[in-house]
Amino acid sequence: EAQVTQNPRYLITVTGKKLTVTCSQNMNHEYMSWYRQDPGLGLRQIYYSMNVEVTDKGDVPEGYKVSRKEKRNFPLILESPSPNQTSLYFCASSSTGGGYYGYTFGSGTRLTVV
Amino acid sequence: DQQVKQNSPSLSVQEGRISILNCDYTNSMFDYFLWYKKYPAEGPTFLISISSIKDKNEDGRFTVFLNKSAKHLSLHIVPSQPGDSAVYFCAPFSSGTYKYIFGTGTRLKVLA
Repeated sequence: EAQVTQNPRYLITVTGKKLTVTCSQNMNHEYMSWYRQDPGLGLRQIYYSMNVEVTDKGDVPEGYKVSRKEKRNFPLILESPSPNQTSLYFCASSSTGGGYYGYTFGSGTRLTVV
Repeated sequence: DQQVKQNSPSLSVQEGRISILNCDYTNSMFDYFLWYKKYPAEGPTFLISISSIKDKNEDGRFTVFLNKSAKHLSLHIVPSQPGDSAVYFCAPFSSGTYKYIFGTGTRLKVLA
């Protein structure tokens, strides 16, 4: 089954403790992206990647890092999480960068930073 | 500065009737306009899209209309079904930046 898999689904952590949210896709897509969803703000892009070793900032990159060492994986790293990073996070992938055919999204990771 | 607005946070419609979801945008550079549907505890799923050179695209019960002069798009669902109950996001896309700008979403409830 074609899918984007994120782990973990739920995570509660403490301020300052480094964490990684993993994302993997099995569709051989070039484009991958991370979004966060907050009440009243819709989905906002954090980082995106157009291919292996090619990444760029989205609209809200502060406090996040990404890497794209393999085509299928695009982990999101929070080096020193803070409570304002409490959010619902989605990873997404696409063969065309989005456009007419859209992205395939993962099921989400709900992160709480206390 | 909200570039994309979905002014109705929620909408309730009787089963079998038409649902109309609206979206307004400010940026003229968008060249594709997409709608995503989201169920609780799931990621958004792509529903339907339209190119900026078109004014209508239809896929089964779903039709998207684009009025570029008014910077307005709408999604029509006919007939509405209880399984359509979800949050709908409009998401204009720019090929120049490979970026979507998501609206804040409209929660549709279809009453049986």
